[in-house]
Amino acid sequence: GENVEQHPSTLSVQEGDSAVIKCTYSDSASNYFPWYKQELGKRPQLIIDIRSNVGEKKDQRIAVTLNKTAKHFSLHITETQPEDSAVYFCAASYSGGGADGLTFGKGTHLIIQP
Amino acid sequence: DAGVIQSPRHEVTEMGQEVTLRCKPISGHNSLFWYRQTMMRGLELLIYFNNNVPIDDSGMPEDRFSAKMPNASFSTLKIQPSEPRDSAVYFCASSSSGSLTGELFFGEGSRLTVL
Repeated sequence: GENVEQHPSTLSVQEGDSAVIKCTYSDSASNYFPWYKQELGKRPQLIIDIRSNVGEKKDQRIAVTLNKTAKHFSLHITETQPEDSAVYFCAASYSGGGADGLTFGKGTHLIIQP
Repeated sequence: DAGVIQSPRHEVTEMGQEVTLRCKPISGHNSLFWYRQTMMRGLELLIYFNNNVPIDDSGMPEDRFSAKMPNASFSTLKIQPSEPRDSAVYFCASSSSGSLTGELFFGEGSRLTVL
């Protein structure tokens, strides 16, 4: 089955700086890579996703890049704000996730220092 | 839509007791997933259903765990007998398998503590 590794487990950045979280996956058949944000005590919620036919996708301050050859994908958050503090999970799926679920990384606790 | 609804939100029980967690998916979604979240293991997929049929239960830890989906609007995850190592947050999520986005919509979770 799919295995997703995520680094770092904890990331502390100054408010206004950028944050980068990296993931690798093992199954070359995977073609859908979403990122979920989970605030303390809350449910995970989708913030951005990318499919294997695209190398990069951006939505305001967040962007995701994908390198299929290396089986790497990354989340980039620019101009970080206090409300960005949360746990971020990457995930992978080979059929879009809607049909057969997602394999998640272990999560990155992002701390925004004021 | 009210979103995915889970109950109970919190459950504290003693080792050996039966625990039943409940989930109501978003209306119209035909895929339902049960995840378990712990600090050590993160988010683990336990089992998922498509059109009420269990597709893959390879994530279920052992025979003490069972899940059912008797109809499109209800699913249960049962643990019998429960053990302290089952303590975790259990999330139910639903999606539409025909969706272009593949987004999973999570419930608020059921926090289980087994003493």
